[in-house]
Amino acid sequence: DIVLTQSPATLSLSPGEKATLSCRASQSVGNFLAWYQQRPGQAPRLLVYDTSHRAVGIPARFSGSGSGTDFTLTISSLEPEDFAVYYCQQRRSWPPVTFGQGTKLEIK
Amino acid sequence: EVHLLESGGKVGQPGGSLKLSCAASGFTFSDYVMTWVRQAPGKGLEWVSSISNNGDRTYYEPSVKGRFTISRDNSNNTLYLQINSLRADDAAIYYCAKDFGSGNFVLVWDNWGQGVLVTVSS
Repeated sequence: DIVLTQSPATLSLSPGEKATLSCRASQSVGNFLAWYQQRPGQAPRLLVYDTSHRAVGIPARFSGSGSGTDFTLTISSLEPEDFAVYYCQQRRSWPPVTFGQGTKLEIK
Repeated sequence: EVHLLESGGKVGQPGGSLKLSCAASGFTFSDYVMTWVRQAPGKGLEWVSSISNNGDRTYYEPSVKGRFTISRDNSNNTLYLQINSLRADDAAIYYCAKDFGSGNFVLVWDNWGQGVLVTVSS
C-alpha cells in the first residue's frame, strides 16, 4: 500500500499569510494526487486533483504542485475560512486508495 | 445540483449488521462510480469501497473485505453499504461520494454526502 505522510501535523498561521502544506508518498504516485479541505462538522471538499488542477469553484489562492513522491499545497494568502484540516489522497495504485493523516491549519 | 443523502446509521452491537443507504439526485447516477469513505471519531479519512457505474465491479479496503458489501440500484439512484460482523473499529462517520468523472474509476470525489454515524456498542 502507498503511505502518504503529511507535514506538518499542525500549522499555525495568521490570516493573510502564506501556507505551505506537504505530502510525501512512500512510492511514486505520478501526478495522481488530490487535496481535500475539511472544516469542522463538514464533509471533505475537493480542492485540487491530479497534482495541480483546481476543482470547480476553488479560489485561485489554492495551488498544487509536485510529482512522483513529493507534493505541495500552497494557499497564497489565508482567508479566515481556510483554517481547516487538509488531506492528500492518491489514486495511482489501488486498492486501497489512501489518504494522508491530515494537516490542521489553525489560526495563530 | 448534485445531492447525496446518507441514511441508516445507528448504534450497532459487535458482531451485528446494518445497511447504509445513499440517495443520489442532480446527476445521472448510472454514469458514475460511487464510493464510501469513513472517518473514525477525531481521525482521518479512510477509503472503504468503490463500485462501478453498472455495479459489476467492486473493490474494498482489506480490513472490510468479506464483511462489507457495496451495491447500487440504478433504477432508484441509491447506493448501499451492507456491514456485517460489526467491529468496534468500524465506528465512524460514513460518507458516500461521487466520482469526479463519468465512466471508469477516477477515484477523485467532487461531491460528498453529509455523512451518517455508525456507533458500535454492546
